[in-house]
Amino acid sequence: EPEVTQTPSHQVTQMGQEVILRCVPISNHLYFYWYRQILGQKVEFLVSFYNNEISEKSEIFDDQFSVERPDGSNFTLKIRSTKLEDSAMYFCASRPRQGASEETQYFGPGTRLLVL
Amino acid sequence: GESVGLHLPTLSVQEGDNSIINCAYSNSASDYFIWYKQESGKGPQFIIDIRSNMDKRQGQRVTVLLNKTVKHLSLQIAATQPGDSAVYFCAENTDFTGTASKLTFGTGTRLQVTL
Repeated sequence: EPEVTQTPSHQVTQMGQEVILRCVPISNHLYFYWYRQILGQKVEFLVSFYNNEISEKSEIFDDQFSVERPDGSNFTLKIRSTKLEDSAMYFCASRPRQGASEETQYFGPGTRLLVL
Repeated sequence: GESVGLHLPTLSVQEGDNSIINCAYSNSASDYFIWYKQESGKGPQFIIDIRSNMDKRQGQRVTVLLNKTVKHLSLQIAATQPGDSAVYFCAENTDFTGTASKLTFGTGTRLQVTL
């Protein structure tokens, strides 16, 4: 069964450093998302991406964050200058297409980011 | 650093019993709902979904009930097994026909299955 994959599984970085989190969505999916989950808390929406542009972003997704789909398979989240409070689990998700039976978002295993 | 985590409500059930996990959602305009299961260190795993034009949907061993009047969602798991132990989240979608279709997650309930 096709899966969303994410790399790396764990990332440790120093405050102020740039990180890039990578995702490979399910191959025929058209909608892509990033969510994050601070330890012990609920999953929070960051950004949605469709047709090579951002559809919606949350308040969390400030100028330090950016997303890109550099080729036909990868979807990346970049944090330019990490802060301590960026420490969280970051999940990528994808969805097939808009339509009556295609709303389900499928999540990857996550990247645990620790900012020191 | 990381914030102190919220204390998750916990449901403890014996193996073989039925489990009912409840969720109150916030937006009366939400039109699509999903239950996810999250095991420790893993991503949310899709269990079952329901659209707002339905009040009940059944899957294999799971049933979701939707009460729009009181904005309540429940997940019923029949014959609960040890492998069902996890945190369960409900999620609502307020942009059913849109391109964003972001999910808003609930706080979660921890299901513990005892032998």
